[in-house]
Amino acid sequence: QKEVEQNSGPLSVPEGAIASLNCTYSDRGSQSFFWYRQYSGKSPELIMSIYSNGDKEDGRFTAQLNKASQYVSLLIRDSQPSDSATYLCAVNGGSQGNLIFGKGTKLSVKP
Amino acid sequence: EPEVTQTPSHQVTQMGQEVILRCVPISNHLYFYWYRQILGQKVEFLVSFYNNEISEKSEIFDDQFSVERPDGSNFTLKIRSTKLEDSAMYFCASRAGRGSYNEQFFGPGTRLTVL
Repeated sequence: QKEVEQNSGPLSVPEGAIASLNCTYSDRGSQSFFWYRQYSGKSPELIMSIYSNGDKEDGRFTAQLNKASQYVSLLIRDSQPSDSATYLCAVNGGSQGNLIFGKGTKLSVKP
Repeated sequence: EPEVTQTPSHQVTQMGQEVILRCVPISNHLYFYWYRQILGQKVEFLVSFYNNEISEKSEIFDDQFSVERPDGSNFTLKIRSTKLEDSAMYFCASRAGRGSYNEQFFGPGTRLTVL
């Protein structure tokens, strides 16, 4: 059974700080990794994808992947109250691209 | 920007009734998915659909569920005889092309309430 693990939080950071969200996965053969943001009552919204070891930056967001440690992280710089949401880590679960999600980490950014 | 759409946004039904949830994937996307999220729980994969047939399904997707692409745009999920435990948010997603590298985009979801 393929698993994706996240700390459920809540993670509370002050406005302007860096938020660090972490995720581990069980299947060493996984190749594609995604971070989604989900506001309460809404659908998952894709923030970042990462496929290779190392860092990938997009604006205030940086995704980090370490396949040897089976670890993915998301850094949010200059956190804003509008970043307050649940962040879902997802990993490809099969050849047809279906995603396996973690339970999500709830982030709260305090003004 | 193209997006996945879903109807209805909220469906209330009685236990044992059939429901059909509708989705319009992003135009020119080839892979389609249904996921569900029970309140307070994680998003769970139900089924993937490619080239007019099911390509993969999870243990949740039993004989009570079926999917169809009745025309060139719609993608539907049917639940034949709803149970209380089917109450959840149902999300449709689509992906552009081959390989697992392509990103999936989710629709706004249908909230299904089974009474």
